[in-house]
Amino acid sequence: AQKITQTQPGMFVQEKEAVTLDCTYDTSDQSYGLFWYKQPSSGEMIFLIYQGSYDEQNATEGRYSLNFQKARKSANLVISASQLGDSAMYFCAMARLGQFYFGTGTSLTVIP
Amino acid sequence: DSGVTQTPKHLITATGQRVTLRCSPRSGDLSVYWYQQSLDQGLQFLIHYYNGEERAKGNILERFSAQQFPDLHSELNLSSLELGDSALYFCASSGRGASTDTQYFGPGTRLTVL
Repeated sequence: AQKITQTQPGMFVQEKEAVTLDCTYDTSDQSYGLFWYKQPSSGEMIFLIYQGSYDEQNATEGRYSLNFQKARKSANLVISASQLGDSAMYFCAMARLGQFYFGTGTSLTVIP
Repeated sequence: DSGVTQTPKHLITATGQRVTLRCSPRSGDLSVYWYQQSLDQGLQFLIHYYNGEERAKGNILERFSAQQFPDLHSELNLSSLELGDSALYFCASSGRGASTDTQYFGPGTRLTVL
């Protein structure tokens, strides 16, 4: 069963605009963690942001924020003021009970 | 630079062969995780070691094995290689080994099986 779902295979955004990348997850556990990673064309995986299931506030890290809606089991990534260097694959991931699940990713292209 | 190192960067080998991938975690991190990223399977969690002991297993084939040494570096051994094992293999590390720890990824080893 798919634990992490990213429904947007590809997204385009104009430079300096904000963009939301969708992520929904499936778990009945109370304790879990949600992550977003960026993978540029060079291949490395770069940690962006983390949200714990018990965190009441949405996580923010600079231009990245995580829109966490627990009841809807969604953890969308919002990138504000997009830059050309944001063009990359973005992966949503969940950690629960020692297991780690990644979504299929969203390819983001920032248009100048 | 995440602080996690992986060697080699690229590896080309033939079917039926055995290879060893090496990972050194960030300084102070006790946990090492291995992942396989392929075009058809996406990013798959393979195995997690914490301070030398296996902590959790994911979708790791029986032909694959791993270990973490006393100096905390880890090796992933892949044997009886098949064409489908061609993939990017990532190692990640974290501090405490809790499921909710942030994992920092190495640059990966790209394995090509011919």
